[in-house]
Parts: sequence; C-alpha cells; structure tokens
Amino acid sequence: SQTIHQWPATLVQPVGSPLSLECTVEGTSNPNLYWYRQAAGRGLQLLFYSVGIGQISSEVPQNLSASRPQDRQFILSSKKLLLSDSGFYLCAWSPLVRLLGSPLHFGNGTRLTVT
Amino acid sequence: DAKTTQPPSMDCAEGRAANLPCNHSTISGNEYVYWYRQIHSQGPQYIIHGLKNNETNEMASLIITEDRKSSTLILPHATLRDTAVYYCIADSGGSQGNLIFGKGTKLSVKP
Repeated sequence: SQTIHQWPATLVQPVGSPLSLECTVEGTSNPNLYWYRQAAGRGLQLLFYSVGIGQISSEVPQNLSASRPQDRQFILSSKKLLLSDSGFYLCAWSPLVRLLGSPLHFGNGTRLTVT
Repeated sequence: DAKTTQPPSMDCAEGRAANLPCNHSTISGNEYVYWYRQIHSQGPQYIIHGLKNNETNEMASLIITEDRKSSTLILPHATLRDTAVYYCIADSGGSQGNLIFGKGTKLSVKP
C-alpha cells in the first residue's frame, strides 16, 4: 500500500532563517505531488504541484520554493522565512491529475511557527 | 468550484450509523463530490468520492441524489475513532488547485 511521510511534525524557526520541509511517498511510481498550506478554520491553499521529476508549478507567488529531486521526493524551501510563513503545511499525492477525479492523500503535516 | 453546505456538528452513538449530509446545489457537471475528514493536528484523510453514482468502500458509503445537488456520507458502524471534522468538497481539479474545505461537520461519536 502507499504511504506518505512528511517531516518534521512541528518546527519553530526565527524570522530570516532558511526552511526545508521534506515529503516522500512510498508504494507508488510517478505520483503527482502537492504542497498545501492550511490556515486555521479555512481551506487549503495550493502552493506547488509537480507531475514529474524537476517539474514544478507554482500557484501563488511568495517566499517559498519547491523542488522534486527524485520521483517520490518533494521538498518545500525558503531562503529567508517571514512571520507570514507560519502555518500548517501539508504534502499530498495523487495517482492521476485531479481533473480526472483523483483524490488526494495527505501527509500528517508540519506545523511551522516563525518567531 | 461549487460551494458546499454542511451542518456544523452532529452526534452519533457508538456502533450506530452516522449519516452526514452535504448540500452542493450549484455543482457543475464536471465536479466530483469528495469527502475527507480531519482529526486535530493531522492531515486530512481521504474517505470516498463520486461523480454521479453511489459509491462504497471499506470506510464508508456515498449517496448522491439524482440531481447531484446533495449527498450523504454514511459511516455504517461509527466508532470513537471516527470522531473528527468531516469535509464535503465539490471539486473539478481546476487549474488553481485550491481545495475549499469550508467549515465541515464536527462529528462526535459517543459511547
């Protein structure tokens, strides 16, 4: 069966420090990978998605970047964190593009607090 | 994507069926109905989805009305571990990719 791992679970970082969140998927090949941010009591905002190695689409211009160095590895990064980057970050995968009715499978998220 | 409306909270006795309603009266023809649930501090968990027909899997059943304007998620034998916030989403997987979870239904399963 497929599993998704996301770490760390919580992170406290000072303003201006770099960020690296990692996500890996097991048990599937060539997954579609996503990074979302969830604000408290609100929906999920898509940050980045990837349909293959080295292929990254950014949905919202911001202080973050993403990379996919391997088929089942997705990394969310920042060179200098802002206070507004605080939030709950979720990695997800889907076997097909969402247009074809493919559900998303989420990791357990990273709670990031920028101080 | 279509907006969905769900009751803010529901209670269910352990072992009984939990029926969670969702209204999506403005759903368009290419939008699937998805159900996810989320336990505090964890990522959302996919439950089930459908387009027109009723669906069943090992977790739940999804009943979609013929006009597709509403649906019901059925947990046949609720357990205490089913206590969570349940989200109904109408999604076409459009280019923006945002998932509008809304406020969902807080299901409390009681012993």
